[in-house]
Amino acid sequence: DTAVSQTPKYLVTQMGNDKSIKCEQNLGHDTMYWYKQDSKKFLKIMFSYNNKELIINETVPNRFSPKSPDKAHLNLHINSLELGDSAVYFCASSLGAGKSYEQYFGPGTRLTVT
Amino acid sequence: AQSVAQPEDQVNVAEGNPLTVKCTYSVSGNPYLFWYVQYPNRGLQFLLKYITGDNLVKGSYGFEAEFNKSQTSFHLKKPSALVSDSALYFCAVRDLSGGSYIPTFGRGTSLIVHP
Repeated sequence: DTAVSQTPKYLVTQMGNDKSIKCEQNLGHDTMYWYKQDSKKFLKIMFSYNNKELIINETVPNRFSPKSPDKAHLNLHINSLELGDSAVYFCASSLGAGKSYEQYFGPGTRLTVT
Repeated sequence: AQSVAQPEDQVNVAEGNPLTVKCTYSVSGNPYLFWYVQYPNRGLQFLLKYITGDNLVKGSYGFEAEFNKSQTSFHLKKPSALVSDSALYFCAVRDLSGGSYIPTFGRGTSLIVHP
């Protein structure tokens, strides 16, 4: 009974390709996020959506484009993949955009660009 | 601005001994504080949070954390460590009084519990 799920779990691709990562949450949450975790385990926020609207867009190359078809889904599309995009990408959700709400994370997608 | 520091990259403790993972924070106003745990090849899991009220917060898996406003700290503790507690622990903070609602995460502390 997975709360936040991501597909695929592993993604190996070549430089220049375009790929997508999908995320779904069945918690009924209003807010969803994308994080990037680098090889040193540092977590960086990329995007956040609240009720399907983009509310946070950190300094991320415009090759990265999120899309939220509904409140339960937040997908991440990456164009023209580069070596530096290799990382683990986590989707997360929270009840709302309020500051007291904890986040629930998906299992991650390990992206390797060769 | 909000920031959080986890001064130890790694904490080693023997099974059965008490453990402490340290976290200090900086905010303009009052903080909301969170602890998460990440097991190998898994996503982060929420452990506990401090919003208001009692300074001692109890969470999952027998963990607790103590909010200390004067020392701007929120250390994670457990009375008796288990080998299965070995994981990466993240502290996170949000500033109640402004700034982004996105939490700022620490760089993580690797906890290793030896049998």
